[in-house]
Amino acid sequence: AQRVTQPEKLLSVFKGAPVELKCNYSYSGSPELFWYVQYSRQRLQLLLRHISRESIKGFTADLNKGETSFHLKKPFAQEEDSAMYYCALRGHTDKLIFGTGTRLQVFP
Amino acid sequence: DAGVIQSPRHEVTEMGQEVTLRCKPISGHDYLFWYRQTMMRGLELLIYFNNNVPIDDSGMPEDRFSAKMPNASFSTLKIQPSEPRDSAVYFCASNSNGQGWAEQFFGPGTRLTVL
Repeated sequence: AQRVTQPEKLLSVFKGAPVELKCNYSYSGSPELFWYVQYSRQRLQLLLRHISRESIKGFTADLNKGETSFHLKKPFAQEEDSAMYYCALRGHTDKLIFGTGTRLQVFP
Repeated sequence: DAGVIQSPRHEVTEMGQEVTLRCKPISGHDYLFWYRQTMMRGLELLIYFNNNVPIDDSGMPEDRFSAKMPNASFSTLKIQPSEPRDSAVYFCASNSNGQGWAEQFFGPGTRLTVL
């Protein structure tokens, strides 16, 4: 079965601290992994995809097939990073399976 | 393009009433997805369409929920009768897998409150 697990509902850090939002997945094949973000009063939007291997707004995520993880990292958090973050998996169908989300709070 | 359009943005109704949520996908997109967002369960896929045809409705909670897509520019999600546990934010999203990758574009959501 396809499943995405985000173990933390809430992650609170101070500005300038490193951030790691955890995501683990369950899928027998080769998945596509994504991070979506929802800022306050904005639409849910794509942050990054593992196949692009890019850094967006200072965030990176590496797919670790051995640990079946796709953790989102940023070395120095900013207040504007405060948002809801969802990890998502696309398997062999056209649908995305989302995790339950992690709310990131960055305090000044 | 205004992006994915959903209406209404907010809906408050009483238990037992019928609720209809509407969605207009981005022009040219051939996939449409309906999601429900709650604090406890996060973002759950309810149903999705490809070329107006329902492909997977395994996420639809029960027979009280139904969805239609009569044409490429319009879809509805109906709840009849509504119950308080249906209170959630309902999102519509669309994409075109012809682009070779799977970013979904989300609407602003409809916040449903069932009293």
